[in-house]
Amino acid sequence: EDQVTQSPEALRLQEGESSSLNCSYTVSGLRGLFWYRQDPGKGPEFLFTLYSAGEEKEKERLKATLTKKESFLHITAPKPEDSATYLCAVQYSGNTPLVFGKGTRLSVIA
Amino acid sequence: NAGVTQTPKFRILKIGQSMTLQCTQDMNHNYMYWYRQDPGMGLKLIYYSVGAGITDKGEVPNGYNVSRSTTEDFPLRLELAAPSQTSVYFCASRELNTEAFFGQGTRLTVV
Repeated sequence: EDQVTQSPEALRLQEGESSSLNCSYTVSGLRGLFWYRQDPGKGPEFLFTLYSAGEEKEKERLKATLTKKESFLHITAPKPEDSATYLCAVQYSGNTPLVFGKGTRLSVIA
Repeated sequence: NAGVTQTPKFRILKIGQSMTLQCTQDMNHNYMYWYRQDPGMGLKLIYYSVGAGITDKGEVPNGYNVSRSTTEDFPLRLELAAPSQTSVYFCASRELNTEAFFGQGTRLTVV
């Protein structure tokens, strides 16, 4: 059973059309939730870390939020350069490695 | 500051051949990881290390080996390459409870 589930698998938006990506996790004891951006042919690039329910982080057109069982990555007025795969990862208790979701492929059309 | 460096970037192997994927980091991180990424499947953990001399299996360790003789280096060894090992491999490093930094990946094809 997947511990980290991202939805949708793919999302196509018009430039300026705001939307949200979802990351849900099924195991208790969350120590941190991480959002990454990955461009084709490159390694994941860190965006945000969230540690507790109610926490929010923002960077340019992106805003990440966290509840007790899911996180959202809100994209406001996206531009074509926001097109990428967005990955969510969680760390559970102790020094356990990050567990990644399968990602959401975002395409923003001009 | 180079971060995490992986070599080679691309490699084609024949079935049964062996190779080592190199990974080095210059951030003095204790934790290092090897992931593989297949299309549409996200990142799956192969092996990880919590410090020099300590390694442990991840979700998909079969067909791979690792060593961690120094803090900086964490090579991944493929002993008998199989087509199922065709993938993109990422090395990452971090400190506890912080974000992971990734290398640019090694694209491996086994034919």
